[in-house]
Amino acid sequence: DAGVIQSPRHEVTEMGQEVTLRCKLISGHNSLFWYRQTMMRGLELLIYFNNNVPIDDSGMPEDRFSAKMPNASFSTLKIQPSEPRDSAVYFCASSQGVGANYGYTFGSGTRLTVV
Amino acid sequence: GQNIDQPTEMTATEGAIVQINCTYQTSGFNGLFWYQQHAGEAPTFLSYNVLDGLEEKGRFSSFLSRSKGYSYLLLKELQMKDSASYLCAASNQAGTALIFGKGTTLSVSS
Repeated sequence: DAGVIQSPRHEVTEMGQEVTLRCKLISGHNSLFWYRQTMMRGLELLIYFNNNVPIDDSGMPEDRFSAKMPNASFSTLKIQPSEPRDSAVYFCASSQGVGANYGYTFGSGTRLTVV
Repeated sequence: GQNIDQPTEMTATEGAIVQINCTYQTSGFNGLFWYQQHAGEAPTFLSYNVLDGLEEKGRFSSFLSRSKGYSYLLLKELQMKDSASYLCAASNQAGTALIFGKGTTLSVSS
């Protein structure tokens, strides 16, 4: 089992550019969660999906952020246009169900720096 | 609303025992998780409590009191490799996703 795979591991981009983060779920998992981690705010839930359907996107900070799950094993998080305050580590996690009693497996994260 | 509180930092020495406390307020409680996160790495699952009481797993134990909205993680026989951030997490209001505390950074010295 390769685990949750995120790409890229590091991304440095200029303000105003579009950024796309990618995540591949563990085979057999049907729930996908995107989190953002900063020193100030800790690990924040952005959006999550169950069976490819977005369940709650209330954590998405602004309309500049969007997420998709085009199939059962893959998701993208897009920021357009990016701003310096978006700099953070973005994690995706997958689980076997949407209920919070399932443990999450996290990917290695994407460290985003917007200059 | 949801609120999860835990101390920001703790220090301890090798071989000692340390207890990391967590208080939570959430209306959709489905259990309490603890995750460990080493610097620059992803969080990894440590423990899950859904019923009151103590769950023991090797050197690590986790306790839950649902009536008090309180949990703790107990680490025994501390080792240098236990230096990490420990994240407390509880379910959101809908009971469908985990909300994390800001984490407690534990530093173990020799």
